[in-house]
Formats: sequence, structure tokens, C-alpha cells
Amino acid sequence: EADIYQTPRYLVIGTGKKITLECSQTMGHDKMYWYQQDPGMELHLIHYSYGVNSTEKGDLSSESTVSRIRTEHFPLTLESARPSHTSQYLCASSRGLSYEQYFGPGTRLTVT
Amino acid sequence: KQEVTQIPAALSVPEGENLVLNCSFTDSAIYNLQWFRQDPGKGLTSLLLIQSSQREQTSGRLNASLDKSSGRSTLYIAASQPGDSATYLCAPNAGNMLTFGGGTRLMVKP
Repeated sequence: EADIYQTPRYLVIGTGKKITLECSQTMGHDKMYWYQQDPGMELHLIHYSYGVNSTEKGDLSSESTVSRIRTEHFPLTLESARPSHTSQYLCASSRGLSYEQYFGPGTRLTVT
Repeated sequence: KQEVTQIPAALSVPEGENLVLNCSFTDSAIYNLQWFRQDPGKGLTSLLLIQSSQREQTSGRLNASLDKSSGRSTLYIAASQPGDSATYLCAPNAGNMLTFGGGTRLMVKP
């Protein structure tokens, strides 16, 4: 069973606020990913990491940033939230490139 | 750039029917392909992982096939149940990322 956690599950916040979405996994996976899913739309990769101190941008441009200081932790930060950032953010991890990706429950972000 | 198409986009069937969901992708250079289930407002639950060297993978009432050279995968659901109602997503894995299709929204009526 996958053990990947995201907090908060739901967040409503005003424009201009700085927010950090947390993602952690207890499986010791090297690879971690952030996907964004607008309501009714497809998922798109926005960030990924192959290990500690490694981060890359995905195929969808995002104003968010990520860090990977510890293997189990992959937080995503928005320095100044805008209504266009309203979306669901899903974190995932895998043991390697050819292995199964496991997803967290997601964070549903609403920026007013 | 990988593009993924899922057909049909939506499907409504009575309980007990056998179903086939289709997925096609444009770039056959993949490591594997995953099928997921997503319930409204929730995360993704992995259903099946089929490696590029495999033709089929089975789990309970689910069977996934992969024809990598033609860029196609199918998910077969046997004896559908109302609890199977969800959106089903296929995602080929090119190594550094999964690419998702738009999904098939399935409704199984009692």
C-alpha cells in the first residue's frame, strides 16, 4: 500500500498570500512528482525530482517552486497566490523511472 | 511530445456488463503504462501497471492489454458494478513523467 501524504487537503486563501503545499512519503522513493489538475481537465506534470537536491520543471509551466532537502519530503511553494492558481495539486512518488507511480490524495487550492 | 487520447469520453452502462476502455498514445518509446481510477475530487488510485515488454496484466476483474508498437492499450472491466463508477485514466510513462489522457468517465447503474 502506498504511503504518500499531502497537507492541507483543502485550502482557501486570498490573493497575494504565500503558501506551501506539503507532500511526504514513507516508502523511501527517490523519484517524486507534482501534477496540476484544473477542474474537469487533464493532469499535467509541473515539477519532478530524482533525489535530494535535484528538481526539474515539468511540461506545464508553473509559477510555483519546489525543493528536495530530504528524500521523504517534496514541498511546493507559491510566493504570491493568484486566482489563476486555483486547481488541484497532486503529489506522486516512485522507486524508479520504470516503476509504478503512487499518488497522494491531493490538495484542492482555491485562491479568492 | 506524447499525446494521449481516451475513448469513449463517457460511458453509462447497467450493472453486470463487460466494458472496454480504449487508450491511444503517439510516442511508443515508453517504459510502461499505468491505468488509474479517480473518484470525484480525489487523488488517483493505481489499478494496473503494464511494462513495455508485457502484452497483458490482470488484477481481479480488470485486464489491461498493451500494443506498444501501435500505441494502444485497453482496459477490460468484467461484470461491472456500481462501485466501479469513476473516471479511468491511462498514462504512458516515458521515463521522467506520466502523460495523461482526458479519461473515460464511467457510470454503472444498479
